[in-house]
Amino acid sequence: QQQVKQSPQSLIVQKGGISIINCAYENTAFDYFPWYQQFPGKGPALLIAIRPDVSEKKEGRFTISFNKSAKQFSLHIMDSQPGDSATYFCAASLGDYGGSQGNLIFGKGTKLSVKP
Amino acid sequence: SAVISQKPSRDICQRGTSLTIQCQVDSQVTMMFWYRQQPGQSLTLIATANQGSEATYESGFVIDKFPISRPNLTFSTLTVSNMSPEDSSIYLCSVRGTDIQYFGAGTRLSVL
Repeated sequence: QQQVKQSPQSLIVQKGGISIINCAYENTAFDYFPWYQQFPGKGPALLIAIRPDVSEKKEGRFTISFNKSAKQFSLHIMDSQPGDSATYFCAASLGDYGGSQGNLIFGKGTKLSVKP
Repeated sequence: SAVISQKPSRDICQRGTSLTIQCQVDSQVTMMFWYRQQPGQSLTLIATANQGSEATYESGFVIDKFPISRPNLTFSTLTVSNMSPEDSSIYLCSVRGTDIQYFGAGTRLSVL
């Protein structure tokens, strides 16, 4: 029940295309869903996050779509660029709505390669 | 924001030895976290370290194997004890800000 399942494991997209990464969770008590971006040799960095009271959140070229009834959420990267090539992790957390005090449960990651 | 510095950034160690990883944060934080990231795998929480109290370990991780110190609000250490090749991994220090969790760059450990 604590798992977060992420797919695909790897993704190759042409420059300018749309990258889509999907995650599914079981625990309906999760209330915070962040995406982290990790470049080689670096630690993960928060990219964008959503809470279950909204179905979509957009920040620049990055959009999270959230489907509460299906217990799924996805990351869309529009106009993908070679600089977006990285590993992306979805995560979910239990805890206070405002403070995200729960521990993050991470998906296994998706290695994205954007070809020029 | 929080800036996290980890030392060493990488190391190659012999089986049976121990390695202590240091984590320094540029601001005072109540909770510090240690994660393990195995090759091609997810990030797994090892333990949560609060200043002035014993660390809380997640299932599958024990203090004898991964002793943690938290002497003040900006510093923590994780020791990987009696290492085996299965301990080869990236170890990440993390702290939580307001609605954001920050990670250090990690320590890449290879055990021969």
